[in-house]
Amino acid sequence: GESVGLHLPTLSVQEGDNSIINCAYSNSASDYFIWYKQESGKGPQFIIDIRSNMDKRQGQRVTVLLNKTVKHLSLQIAATQPGDSAVYFCAEKKSNFGNEKLTFGTGTRLTIIP
Amino acid sequence: IAGITQAPTSQILAAGRRMTLRCTQDMRHNAMYWYRQDLGLGLRLIHYSNTAGTTGKGEVPDGYSVSRANTDDFPLTLASAVPSQTSVYFCASSASSALGEQFFGPGTRLTVL
Repeated sequence: GESVGLHLPTLSVQEGDNSIINCAYSNSASDYFIWYKQESGKGPQFIIDIRSNMDKRQGQRVTVLLNKTVKHLSLQIAATQPGDSAVYFCAEKKSNFGNEKLTFGTGTRLTIIP
Repeated sequence: IAGITQAPTSQILAAGRRMTLRCTQDMRHNAMYWYRQDLGLGLRLIHYSNTAGTTGKGEVPDGYSVSRANTDDFPLTLASAVPSQTSVYFCASSASSALGEQFFGPGTRLTVL
């Protein structure tokens, strides 16, 4: 079956450094991808998204890169701060004529070291 | 109300009991979703509703039912709870099922003993 997975379950980064969180997906028909951030005890929060007709999209301190050739997605967080400590999920969606659903990865826990 | 609210925040329930988790959104979103989150398994879709009056099954629908009588509310019912339904439950909504971003509620932590 199709799956969305993450290469590393945990990642520790020194405060101020950049972090990169990776995600592999297997459904080549997926055309939309989202990164969510989930802090302890809270629901997932949207960070950034990207459509399959793009290979890069930037937000505030975050950049998402999409490599469709190897079905790989990454989230780069610049100048990390303590508030960036959280679990990060990638999710993919395949257009299905109004019946689209998100498939989530298992998450990567990012810890920012002061 | 701002965004999505869920109730209760947490609940301990005896096996075999009936339980309804409540979800309300004030964004007039058409689509709503229920997920369960278990350690190591990420978020799994239980049921969804593309618009008021319609519902559909997700990845793990067994043991759960939903209704969508109006745009704002999307309750999830466990008719006869079992210990394997111990989980954190998240409700989410999106402007439409064709659009990507889903907004999540704060979650309900349910323990079935």
